Amino acid sequence: DTGVSQDPRHKITKRGQNVTFRCDPISEHNRLYWYRQTLGQGPEFLTYFQNEAQLEKSRLLSDRFSAERPKGSFSTLEIQRTEQGDSAMYLCASSLERRGIYEQYFGPGTRLTVT
Amino acid sequence: GQQVMQIPQYQHVQEGEDFTTYCNSSTTLSNIQWYKQRPGGHPVFLIQLVKSGEVKKQKRLTFQFGEAKKNSSLHITATQTTDVGTYFCAGRRFGQNFVFGPGTRLSVLP
Repeated sequence: DTGVSQDPRHKITKRGQNVTFRCDPISEHNRLYWYRQTLGQGPEFLTYFQNEAQLEKSRLLSDRFSAERPKGSFSTLEIQRTEQGDSAMYLCASSLERRGIYEQYFGPGTRLTVT
Repeated sequence: GQQVMQIPQYQHVQEGEDFTTYCNSSTTLSNIQWYKQRPGGHPVFLIQLVKSGEVKKQKRLTFQFGEAKKNSSLHITATQTTDVGTYFCAGRRFGQNFVFGPGTRLSVLP
């Protein structure tokens, strides 16, 4: 158990619907990351927060994607007007810098299927 | 943009054989991390390398960071069935976030 939890674990939605995922990081971790992973590929960076500030967003992330981290605690990732190409595993990770090392702790992921 | 490649894509070994995966970046890195992902699981942090030419060992695993800080390797001695999974490297340029490679999937035949 890494301590990072994600909800829901699975989501099936119809094309065009909006979906929202939640991530609860390890409590003392100040950084929170969202990744997307498709079969046979490594995690693809989407965005990250330091505390409540969203510091970087991938250029690959379309305007349909938005993330928030109110009060620097849990985070939500919303996808509007879902497309079949959005089907993937969405991973959340958190980290806390210790002596220059940002060890990322990943959650179990939310598997999204867009039909 | 920064690209991180890994070879081989797949590796099948007999239990007890050694295994090596290589990671190459298109740009010089400030540091590199290695993760292991078991089938159906999520990535788990193994190690971070920072210094040019750095070598670190964890039991049967040996990690190296190239002198030019553009490549890295992970070597497993005498593989066991518990080593099965996909091994990812993730490279980071200064001030930027980690970019993951596509991974090397290791199968260990008993």
